[in-house]
Amino acid sequence: DVKVTQSSRYLVKRTGEKVFLECVQDMDHENMFWYRQDPGLGLRLIYFSYDVKMKEKGDIPEGYSVSREKKERFSLILESASTNQTSMYLCASSGLADTDTQYFGPGTRLTVL
Amino acid sequence: GEDVEQSLFLSVREGDSSVINCTYTDSSSTYLYWYKQEPGAGLQLLTYIFSNMDMKQDQRLTVLLNKKDKHLSLRIADTQTGDSAIYFCAETFSGGYNKLIFGAGTRLAVHP
Repeated sequence: DVKVTQSSRYLVKRTGEKVFLECVQDMDHENMFWYRQDPGLGLRLIYFSYDVKMKEKGDIPEGYSVSREKKERFSLILESASTNQTSMYLCASSGLADTDTQYFGPGTRLTVL
Repeated sequence: GEDVEQSLFLSVREGDSSVINCTYTDSSSTYLYWYKQEPGAGLQLLTYIFSNMDMKQDQRLTVLLNKKDKHLSLRIADTQTGDSAIYFCAETFSGGYNKLIFGAGTRLAVHP
């Protein structure tokens, strides 16, 4: 059974704090993705990675960075959290083939005060 | 650029059919997807259709694809309260890496 896990379901941080969101997949997938989900805006891609140590910017990378040191783990980093980064963060992974869909984790709801 | 549009809300009576509509812009998309998100959960793949198909049926779900109009729909027959969720339409991004472009999501509310 495929599994994508995220380190926290709920997180509350203060403005200016450094925040780490962790995502782990057990499917040996090459591709991993970080999205944020906001009401009325759907899912917007922040960053993705197609291999270890490789990363590409998505549609809204500003204020975020990522790290992929191991194939199964993809981390999203907020260097200095701001209130406009309060959101639901979703991680996903997929294989390389065109037919490979994305599998999602349960999400982390981050609140920045 | 690529864009996917959906209406934000749909309310149906239990037992009726629900039809959720979606329009997309990238005519080169290989696959189009429907994902379901239940409250407090991540997205779950519901079904998908290959771009050279017009229709796909899977139990209570029917997907219709009109490539000429770039219109995708999801019909849920005999809608139940357990179908209440947000439904996302997504198309594959022509730039590769299995990237997806998502719509804003349609919140389906099923009432007695």
